[in-house]
Amino acid sequence: SAVISQKPSRDICQRGTSLTIQCQVDSQVTMMFWYRQQPGQSLTLIATANQGSEATYESGFVIDKFPISRPNLTFSTLTVSNMSPEDSSIYLCSVLITTGANEKLFFGSGTQLSVL
Amino acid sequence: LAKTTQPISMDSYEGQEVNITCSHNNIATNDYITWYQQFPSQGPRFIIQGYKTKVTNEVASLFIPADRKSSTLSLPRVSLSDTAVYYCLVGPSTSNTGKLIFGQGTTLQVKP
Repeated sequence: SAVISQKPSRDICQRGTSLTIQCQVDSQVTMMFWYRQQPGQSLTLIATANQGSEATYESGFVIDKFPISRPNLTFSTLTVSNMSPEDSSIYLCSVLITTGANEKLFFGSGTQLSVL
Repeated sequence: LAKTTQPISMDSYEGQEVNITCSHNNIATNDYITWYQQFPSQGPRFIIQGYKTKVTNEVASLFIPADRKSSTLSLPRVSLSDTAVYYCLVGPSTSNTGKLIFGQGTTLQVKP
């Protein structure tokens, strides 16, 4: 298993500003992912955070808006840049743990972002 | 990546068995089926995973027919605390990108 610490847990921000969300894992993991969950909706994958290389973004998400860092195998950050009220969501960090042929996603508790 | 289809919502009463079915018609040979549970203000939590036939753990059972085009999560004797959103995911093996796509999920409401 994996224990994921994500912070801040929540924040209220002004439009036009940026917020950096941190994700710390208690073990070394290869694959880390960032998801967004808008109110009442399912999770949408933003990007895969690769250690030592640039993140891989899903359709509809770009690096300028959501820059990601992955400096080592236990840590990643997601920045939400130039925020607007449409960015109000829960942002979730997750890691993929493989045990033999089994793969499991473990999630942080999320960052609830409100943009005014 | 295989797409999944689940009922949007289900209601049940305490003590009943709940079965949530997920359709994944284009599941690939190497794909596993995994179910997650999400409570409000929390990240999803792993419940159970299987490849074929039946898998059971301390929380739930997972039934997968031979063609693997669907799966059923079975929660025995639910309680109020089982009220949550349940997601069915069909994911690639470790030889692939590892990314998993969430469908809309099933909101289970357990009533007293």
